[in-house]
Amino acid sequence: GQQVMQIPQYQHVQEGEDFTTYCNSSTTLSNIQWYKQRPGGHPVFLIQLVKSGEVKKQKRLTFQFGEAKKNSSLHITATQTTDVGTYFCAGSGNTPLVFGKGTRLSVIA
Amino acid sequence: GAVVSQHPSWVICKSGTSVKIECRSLDFQATTMFWYRQFPKQSLMLMATSNEGSKATYEQGVEKDKFLINHASLTLSTLTVTSAHPEDSSFYICSAPSTGPSNQPQHFGDGTRLSIL
Repeated sequence: GQQVMQIPQYQHVQEGEDFTTYCNSSTTLSNIQWYKQRPGGHPVFLIQLVKSGEVKKQKRLTFQFGEAKKNSSLHITATQTTDVGTYFCAGSGNTPLVFGKGTRLSVIA
Repeated sequence: GAVVSQHPSWVICKSGTSVKIECRSLDFQATTMFWYRQFPKQSLMLMATSNEGSKATYEQGVEKDKFLINHASLTLSTLTVTSAHPEDSSFYICSAPSTGPSNQPQHFGDGTRLSIL
């Protein structure tokens, strides 16, 4: 079945450093979504990418969808303590969404 | 924006008790809802897809008789953990797509922390 791999599992950064998490699918995706889950909270939808090679930005967050629609990345520029949480990618081919294992980001002030 | 309400937030009960968790879409209709289980600091594990007016679709390894799902209306799905035991303790969370297809962005409930003593 479809698998979505996400790396790294954990990332500790100093405040102000950049952060990137990567997502790879075993199959071509129709779309990829990114979610953020704060400690103790529930996942919150951030963005959806649909087109091959698509790049979207939300303030300091940059999301990319690969040309082959099998991989994606989320990059945060100049992290802040408010960025702390777990970032999940979720991809869909012809199946319900499959979530990656998430990347847990810690930001040291 | 679309809101999904999940109730209760916390449940602590004795082993052998059955626990019902409700998931409601407050301002939209959801023909499909999803139930996940999440262990501490781990990813979301899809348990089942709840389909309004028909049987739920369970993921491999999830016991249908253990985790009963009912989706009786377009705004409510329930998950009942029957005869719960300590190993069922976990964070259960539901989601629903706010628009049509089930692979569209999900709105999650706040989750239910279930502790079985």
